[in-house]
Order: sequence, then structure tokens, then C-alpha cells
Amino acid sequence: ILNVEQSPQSLHVQEGDSTNFTCSFPSSNFYALHWYRWETAKSPEALFVMTLNGDEKKKGRISATLNTKEGYSYLYIKGSQPEDSATYLCAVSWGKLQFGAGTQVVVTP
Amino acid sequence: EAQVTQNPRYLITVTGKKLTVTCSQNMNHEYMSWYRQDPGLGLRQIYYSMNVEVTDKGDVPEGYKVSRKEKRNFPLILESPSPNQTSLYFCASSFLGVLNTEAFFGQGTRLTVV
Repeated sequence: ILNVEQSPQSLHVQEGDSTNFTCSFPSSNFYALHWYRWETAKSPEALFVMTLNGDEKKKGRISATLNTKEGYSYLYIKGSQPEDSATYLCAVSWGKLQFGAGTQVVVTP
Repeated sequence: EAQVTQNPRYLITVTGKKLTVTCSQNMNHEYMSWYRQDPGLGLRQIYYSMNVEVTDKGDVPEGYKVSRKEKRNFPLILESPSPNQTSLYFCASSFLGVLNTEAFFGQGTRLTVV
């Protein structure tokens, strides 16, 4: 089992503040790094899939970076809004998809 | 509309009574998989399938069976459910064995075994 770790487990953010959190994984046997957003009572939805070292992806106020050599990815939320409240899952693809436990983000007005 | 459909959404059953959770996708994806989600543990893979008639165990396969007779369907079978299988289950599908393509998830099935 590939060990995919996410930190912190949860965080509270004031509306308008920016935040970031981490996904770390063994740097060997790496194919791709996925980020998903999972809102309560819904299904996880893909945000980004990244494969290359140094890759950066952006969707609106959310962006992600990838460092495959040291085995980590950061997800950034700029100017957090209440609708950003969700659990953010990262997953590493190495023939199958191995998920981390997620970071729960709560944005308060 | 491209989607992964799971049924039922909610199920309460008794220990030992066989049940099947269905999963169907309309995107012609080769790869399908089942996950269970438990608090603090993230999504753990139960079984996956790379194509028709090709299935393999994930990280937590004990107590589950699957089949892949058609490309679009991937049912999860619990032959003799036990209370420790109470969980939230997700089916997912993608192209190319999820190497670099996103996975699409079903709506989830919340199973309670009493």
C-alpha cells in the first residue's frame, strides 16, 4: 500500500483569507497526482490531475503545485469563500489510485 | 449526460443477508473501482477492474466480491454482510487505468448492517 498523507486533517479559515495544505507521498513509482473536492452529501469531483515535476494547475481561486522529486503537492485556495468548504482529497496513481485521508476545510463568514 | 450511477443510495440490512450494490457508467471507461469511506481513513479501495472479465483486489477486499461481465457495469456483492461493513461506498470509473485521467464517482451508497 502506497502511503499518501495529507496535512492538516482539518482547518478553519476566515472568509477572504488564503490557505494551503499538503499532500505527501513516496517519490518513487509515481505516475500522477490527483486532487478532488468532496462536498458533504455529494460525490468527490476532480480538480486537477498532474504528472510532471514542477507542474502547476489553476482553476479559479484554487491552484496546485507538484514536486515529484521530494514527493509532495500543495493545494492553495486564494480568498476563501464559504462555498470552498469541503474535504479536499489527494490521490496518487501508481497503477491504481491510492487516496489520502483528506483535509477538511471550513470557511466561516 | 456522462455519469456513474450507483443504487441504492441508502440501505439498511441485517447480518448475513446477501446484497448487491450496482454501479453503471456511460462513458465507455475501461477502469472501474469500488471504495469504502470511513471516518479518518479516507477512501480505501476494495476491488478494481481494468476491463471486462479482469478484476483484482484492492486494499480491503475481505468480505466483498465483484464481477465485470459488461464494460459499463461493476456490481459489488456482499455475500454475508457483517456490522463492520457498515460504511459509505463509492464506485468510480476512468479511462486508461487512472494513470493520468480523472476518476468519476457515483453518488455513494450508505450501507448500515445491523
